Amino acid sequence: KNQVEQSPQSLIILEGKNCTLQCNYTVSPFSNLRWYKQDTGRGPVSLTIMTFSENTKSNGRYTATLDADTKQSSLHITASQLSDSASYICVVSPYTGFQKLVFGTGTRLLVSP
Amino acid sequence: KAGVTQTPRYLIKTRGQQVTLSCSPISGHRSVSWYQQTPGQGLQFLFEYFSETQRNKGNFPGRFSGRQFSNSRSEMNVSTLELGDSALYLCASSFSGDGYTFGSGTRLTVV
Repeated sequence: KNQVEQSPQSLIILEGKNCTLQCNYTVSPFSNLRWYKQDTGRGPVSLTIMTFSENTKSNGRYTATLDADTKQSSLHITASQLSDSASYICVVSPYTGFQKLVFGTGTRLLVSP
Repeated sequence: KAGVTQTPRYLIKTRGQQVTLSCSPISGHRSVSWYQQTPGQGLQFLFEYFSETQRNKGNFPGRFSGRQFSNSRSEMNVSTLELGDSALYLCASSFSGDGYTFGSGTRLTVV
């Protein structure tokens, strides 16, 4: 069964600190893996997208890594800001793009001043 | 380039009523997917439409239905609303069925 698990479920960090969120998946083969940021009550916004052949992708202070062998991905946030407080969702697209996306349940990040 | 537009933004309905939500995809995108998001449940897939045809369907009761028009705009309908249908309903569009762009959602409250 295709699954995506994220950890931790929630996280509180101080402003300015770094943090790393984890995503483990069982979807195989897969087309791409995306990290989304979702502010409360809003739609998810794509941060990064990686195909199976990519190892890392950066978007400003956000850096995603992918290890296709271990089926793990991580999202590293550098020098956190209050505006980073949101849910971060890992989404895996199966190889055949017309299949249903597989969503993780997300990590809720709170950046405290 | 306009993003995915969902209307209305907020909606309050009473139990037993029905509701219709609208989604206008990014121009040129032919795939539209719908998701329900409730606290603690994450995003639950409802259905996907491509060129006016339902291509995939999630595990929701028949009270949830949808359709897509020739201009790719999509609507979803929920009949006989229940309190548990209160959620954020998200629509996402895609050109090829691969990468998805989400709308801001419709917050439905059933009282």
